[in-house]
Amino acid sequence: DTGVSQDPRHKITKRGQNVTFRCDPISEHNRLYWYRQTLGQGPEFLTYFQNEAQLEKSRLLSDRFSAERPKGSFSTLEIQRTEQGDSAMYLCASSRTGDNMNTEAFFGQGTRLTVV
Amino acid sequence: GNSVTQMEGPVTLSEEAFLTINCTYTATGYPSLFWYVQYPGEGLQLLLKATKADDKGSNKGFEATYRKETTSFHLEKGSVQVSDSAVYFCAPGPSGYSSASKIIFGSGTRLSIRP
Repeated sequence: DTGVSQDPRHKITKRGQNVTFRCDPISEHNRLYWYRQTLGQGPEFLTYFQNEAQLEKSRLLSDRFSAERPKGSFSTLEIQRTEQGDSAMYLCASSRTGDNMNTEAFFGQGTRLTVV
Repeated sequence: GNSVTQMEGPVTLSEEAFLTINCTYTATGYPSLFWYVQYPGEGLQLLLKATKADDKGSNKGFEATYRKETTSFHLEKGSVQVSDSAVYFCAPGPSGYSSASKIIFGSGTRLSIRP
């Protein structure tokens, strides 16, 4: 397994356009997280999935943001009507949970979004 | 939910100096505790972890001990190298003994090591 992979690595879009990012977690991991990181800050939690179920969404996640994990494997994060304030690094992470056990989260390289 | 407070940076040290980066957390139950590191231009990597009280995590010469009584997880290294220059994040996360569902990150501590 090559770890968590994210696509694309970079995205430049015009304000008002929609963008979609993809994350492929480590194959045996049942939990998948999305975070956002801006320059000089730590990652901020956006949402997470346990298998295909989206169990928690941050208040940071406005109605313009939607995430899916339809088959409990890869996930997509869509941002509609992008704004300049959406410019950030979007990070995906995965972990394995169950039976009083939680592994650490393994992070992808991220997708850097620039809204112009 | 969990929260974390870590030492503000930037921290600048000379090579071979002793490093401490303080971290305290608040949590319901007993979270797992992690230190992640982000080298320039790279993604987040796990540096070390501890999953229960009094556990010591260690990796690459770094150590941190899970102190339940003081809710702390301070990062230490006896002799830093230029290659340790990075941003370090303390992060409590889910465990089998915590209701927390996600890893919460501090603001990070930027470490710069002078040759």
